[in-house]
Amino acid sequence: DAGVTQSPTHLIKTRGQQVTLRCSPKSGHDTVSWYQQALGQGPQFIFQYYEEEERQRGNFPDRFSGHQFPNYSSELNVNALLLGDSALYLCASSLDGRDYGYTFGSGTRLTVV
Amino acid sequence: RKEVEQDPGPFNVPEGATVAFNCTYSNSASQSFFWYRQDCRKEPKLLMSVYSSGNEDGRFTAQLNRASQYISLLIRDSKLSDSATYLCVVNSNTGKLIFGQGTTLQVKP
Repeated sequence: DAGVTQSPTHLIKTRGQQVTLRCSPKSGHDTVSWYQQALGQGPQFIFQYYEEEERQRGNFPDRFSGHQFPNYSSELNVNALLLGDSALYLCASSLDGRDYGYTFGSGTRLTVV
Repeated sequence: RKEVEQDPGPFNVPEGATVAFNCTYSNSASQSFFWYRQDCRKEPKLLMSVYSSGNEDGRFTAQLNRASQYISLLIRDSKLSDSATYLCVVNSNTGKLIFGQGTTLQVKP
């Protein structure tokens, strides 16, 4: 039973560029949440997708956008990258947003130079 | 004020020691509570849920005090393999997980 898979594992981008990160949820899960974890900090909630719609959003600018596909996989897009966007981006899947069933992927480490 | 606050540590303890981590949260409407463990450069993994009645899993004991909005984790007989960052996590009344900064534990021989 595959867990949550994220791609790519590492990425280096230049300021001002755009990036797309991908996530495939655990089998049987239908909800995907994205988190940003800066060095030395806890993960910060970006947004959650359920039934192909953004159900909740954290305190992140509109440069951060996402999408969920009919197969429940999801993408996180970040436009106009800033140095401060350098972080570990974590995807977590669950069933209908239930918090006790969260499974995290191993993350994408984004470095903006 | 952060919604979930933890002492970042680091806590440096010898093997066999008992160590306690504390956490406070600001939203009294929070519904559920967890401790997650995160190893260096890895994803967070659920360690245990936290209930008002207190719960234990082997050497780990978690407590919740809703009146004080306080959560704790006690680790007995620390092992080298317990070295990690421990994240206090609260599910807000809107259903999203809110993480504390994390407390780093280093268990030394």
